[in-house]
Amino acid sequence: NAGVMQNPRHLVRRRGQEARLRCSPMKGHSHVYWYRQLPEEGLKFMVYLQKENIIDESGMPKERFSAEFPKEGPSILRIQQVVRGDSAAYFCASSRTGSDTGELFFGEGSRLTVL
Amino acid sequence: QKEVEQNSGPLSVPEGAIASLNCTYSDRGSQSFFWYRQYSGKSPELIMFIYSNGDKEDGRFTAQLNKASQYVSLLIRDSQPSDSATYLCAASIQGAQKLVFGQGTRLTINP
Repeated sequence: NAGVMQNPRHLVRRRGQEARLRCSPMKGHSHVYWYRQLPEEGLKFMVYLQKENIIDESGMPKERFSAEFPKEGPSILRIQQVVRGDSAAYFCASSRTGSDTGELFFGEGSRLTVL
Repeated sequence: QKEVEQNSGPLSVPEGAIASLNCTYSDRGSQSFFWYRQYSGKSPELIMFIYSNGDKEDGRFTAQLNKASQYVSLLIRDSQPSDSATYLCAASIQGAQKLVFGQGTRLTINP
């Protein structure tokens, strides 16, 4: 049973370009979470999605960031017009049910570097 | 005030000793608490979770929860060099359906 799959693992973008990060949850999981981790810091919640629905986007910056989890295919975190401050590791996690039980399974992360 | 706070360390412990990691949280609505281990450059992995006041033991790991003091801890007995990692404390709020993480404590076990 494959774990949470994220790609790309590493992404380099120049300021002003777009970054697209993809996440395929574990088989049987319909709840997807995106977290951002800056160097030497903890994980910051960004958004929680179920299939075709955004449940909680309270951690998403108001501009340039968007997320989706379509009926078919992976969840996508999209960052438009990237800036240097967007450089971070972006982790996707999935769970079979909502995270009240906290049993989130994390992917290996996508490390974005903005030049 | 941060919702979940941890001492960022680094915390150095000799091999074979007990490592004690601490975490406080501000929201009394927090119901469940989790400890994740993260090796450098890797993804977090769940070690333990605890819901009720008191201690919960799993092998060399013991989680302790004191809701009155809003305090969670993780004890690692017989520490091994392979325990060297960053330990993340997280809290969930019933109905909020997200985990709030502390900044992590970097633990080093010295042979």
